[in-house]
Amino acid sequence: AQTVTQSQPEMSVQEAETVTLSCTYDTSESDYYLFWYKQPPSRQMILVIRQEAYKQQNATENRFSVNFQKAAKSFSLKISDSQLGDAAMYFCAYRSFYTGANSKLTFGKGITLSVRP
Amino acid sequence: DAGVTQSPTHLIKTRGQQVTLRCSPKSGHDTVSWYQQALGQGPQFIFQYYEEEERQRGNFPDRFSGHQFPNYSSELNVNALLLGDSALYLCATNWFRGAGTDTQYFGPGTRLTVL
Repeated sequence: AQTVTQSQPEMSVQEAETVTLSCTYDTSESDYYLFWYKQPPSRQMILVIRQEAYKQQNATENRFSVNFQKAAKSFSLKISDSQLGDAAMYFCAYRSFYTGANSKLTFGKGITLSVRP
Repeated sequence: DAGVTQSPTHLIKTRGQQVTLRCSPKSGHDTVSWYQQALGQGPQFIFQYYEEEERQRGNFPDRFSGHQFPNYSSELNVNALLLGDSALYLCATNWFRGAGTDTQYFGPGTRLTVL
């Protein structure tokens, strides 16, 4: 079974600064997907970024980028130029590739990010 | 483009009662997954529906059951409610065969409180 670990329960960043959120996972599979989701107080789970394990290039989406280290099973999220609206709970999630569309997401416990003005 | 919708937003029940939660998928999506999120925790997978059948199930008791309708909408039913069933219930949808089937999109959730 796959597991996802987010060991930092809380992080804080100054507005306009950069912050990195850590995530490690455990799997015996070679192909899979990794995700970062953001959940603000409104509760809506919003996709931030996605990484395919078979791609060596790290995914980027505007101010958000990942550092994907497959051998180390590490998947960290970097938020550049932090904004007040980035304050939320962030979840790292794993999805198997081989089971096709019928595949559950396995989530970590999440990290609460606060942004100081 | 209509996103994933869930109803109701909040619900309060007492122990032993039964509850039904509803989910309408994002336009073009035909697969529905349900997750339970306890306060301060990550979501836990309950089950997934495609073509009106339960395709995959997480580690949840039989008190949790579901249904998918021909229009792809889905219901989650919980019988004999326990205090520990208090949580945010999230619905996520995706298109089984299309590009981007790997990405699930979430609804706003239903907050269930069991007293």
